[in-house]
Amino acid sequence: EAGVAQSPRYKIIEKRQSVAFWCNPISGHATLYWYQQILGQGPKLLIQFQNNGVVDDSQLPKDRFSAERLKGVDSTLKIQPAKLEDSAVYLCASSLRRGGKETQYFGPGTRLLVL
Amino acid sequence: GQSLEQPSEVTAVEGAIVQINCTYQTSGFYGLSWYQQHDGGAPTFLSYNGLDGLEETGRFSSFLSRSDSYGYLLLQELQMKDSASYFCAVTDTGRRALTFGSGTRLQVQP
Repeated sequence: EAGVAQSPRYKIIEKRQSVAFWCNPISGHATLYWYQQILGQGPKLLIQFQNNGVVDDSQLPKDRFSAERLKGVDSTLKIQPAKLEDSAVYLCASSLRRGGKETQYFGPGTRLLVL
Repeated sequence: GQSLEQPSEVTAVEGAIVQINCTYQTSGFYGLSWYQQHDGGAPTFLSYNGLDGLEETGRFSSFLSRSDSYGYLLLQELQMKDSASYFCAVTDTGRRALTFGSGTRLQVQP
């Protein structure tokens, strides 16, 4: 079974530029998450999709971040304009719930450096 | 809101046993998960506790006490490859997303 795919793996941009990240979840996983992980911290949820609908985007800085999940499969996360503090790893995860237990599977992440 | 506390660093020797504790505060607790993350890698699922008690998976075990808002991850027969960061994460009843602790960096020494 293929895992969660993300691209690009690395991105370096200057502040005020825009950037987009792509995620392809595990086939059949209806729930998709985007997390931001700053160095030395745990991942922090940005947005959660169930199929192509948003379940939770309460921690998404909506003035600069946007995300979509068309057709309930792939998802893109965009930052426009980027700030220095956006330097982080952006992790995509998808999940499957079985018997009340939910396991999230993470992609390799996109490392963003904003200069 | 939700908050989790776990030690920032733990050091142990190969072959030893180490316990990583996690205390949490959340409204509507649903379950506690543990994830492992090697430097530069993605978090990978280790264990989940929805009910009180011990869950065992090979060399790893996880424990939960809902009344104490406390859990731990127990790693036995430590190997060098276990050097990584370990995160506890809670799921609440309202949402399925995980809220992660800040992580415990485990260093296994020869």
